[in-house]
Formats: sequence, structure tokens, C-alpha cells
Amino acid sequence: DGGITQSPKYLFRKEGQNVTLSCEQNLNHDAMYWYRQDPGQGLRLIYYSQIVNDFQKGDIAEGYSVSREKKESFPLTVTSAQKNPTAFYLCASSIGGNRGAGELFFGEGSRLTVL
Amino acid sequence: DAKTTQPTSMDCAEGRAANLPCNHSTISGNEYVYWYRQIHSQGPQYIIHGLKNNETNEMASLIITEDRKSSTLILPHATLRDTAVYYCIVRNSGNTPLVFGKGTRLSVIA
Repeated sequence: DGGITQSPKYLFRKEGQNVTLSCEQNLNHDAMYWYRQDPGQGLRLIYYSQIVNDFQKGDIAEGYSVSREKKESFPLTVTSAQKNPTAFYLCASSIGGNRGAGELFFGEGSRLTVL
Repeated sequence: DAKTTQPTSMDCAEGRAANLPCNHSTISGNEYVYWYRQIHSQGPQYIIHGLKNNETNEMASLIITEDRKSSTLILPHATLRDTAVYYCIVRNSGNTPLVFGKGTRLSVIA
């Protein structure tokens, strides 16, 4: 079945370590997104990519990095520069273009805990 | 910043209609209203969207006021599985990514 797969589902890391969260989609979608969610809060946009080899910063990009070398993959690296990385991370994709950006398909999320 | 205002929480009896309001008084002519929901610890799920006409699909109905300053999402027969946080979002027809507010936490009670 088509969908979005995020891994790992749960991740623990020590302070000062970089960690990469995987996001893969087989929906043939052009656009992909990373959001962060803290307890009791809405989703905040970290980075997004509307086409391969291109991406833009969202509202809270500091301390994060991404790449979009393949259409189906949009990994997120949480660097040691991110001061409060413990959160629930959600990846999404959409068809792209003017209409598609409103209809997102989300993965199941990755929960990162910094010890 | 989110352009919508929603109640923090609501309760609904199982089997009754759940009516979730959303105010978007600053909406502009080319902005759509989108609704998503998020069940605990899962990714959000698209429900419905509209511009100015009322919309209905297999999940819900969306009623948009004539002046487009507010809307209501209706779940006609709420079940326990509809317990979730519901997000109302406005966005234009371009490529702008969705901005999520805090939403409304709907609790369906048996």
C-alpha cells in the first residue's frame, strides 16, 4: 500500500549527539514536510521541500538540517545545536502544486527523547 | 501564526452530532478552510476542505458562513473513535505550507 514511513518510531539520544530521522514515501508526491510537535501544542513547520534538490526553512529551522536527493526521501537531522530537541516529529507529503499543498499525508511520527 | 480561533475542548455524546466551530474573521478571498484531526500519538489526518460552498464527504460536512468569517465541521454521528484534536486551518491557493494551531480537543463520551 502507498504511504509514508517514518523511522525510528522511538529514539533516545544523549546531549551533544546528532540524530537523523528517516522519512520515505511511495506516493509519488513532489512535496515533503517536517513538523515538530510538543506536548499539548500544535504542529510547527521545520523544513519543507517542493521538489527534489530544493528545500526551504520553516518557522523553526534552527538546529535542524535536511536533504532531498531523491523524490521519495526527506531525512531530517537534529543537530547538537538544537537546544531542546525532545519532541514528536512528523513527516508529511503532498502532491505538490497549488492544490496539493493543502492535502497532506502524514507518517506515524518519530518520538525523540534526549537524555 | 494560525489565522483561526477554535475552542480548546468540547464534549459530545456518542451517536450525536459533533459540531466544531472555527472563527477565521481575517480570511481573504483566495483562502481555503481545511480541517484535519489527530488521534493521540498519530499523524494528523485530512478530513475536508472548502472555499465558500458547503462540502460533504464520507467523514464530515463543512458549513461555511456566507461572509466566510467562520465555519463549522459536523461529524453527524460521533463515535468513540472520533475522539481527537481537530485543527481548522486557512491557507491560500498557492504552495504555502499548512500552519497548525492548537485545535479543539473533542472527547466523545459513551
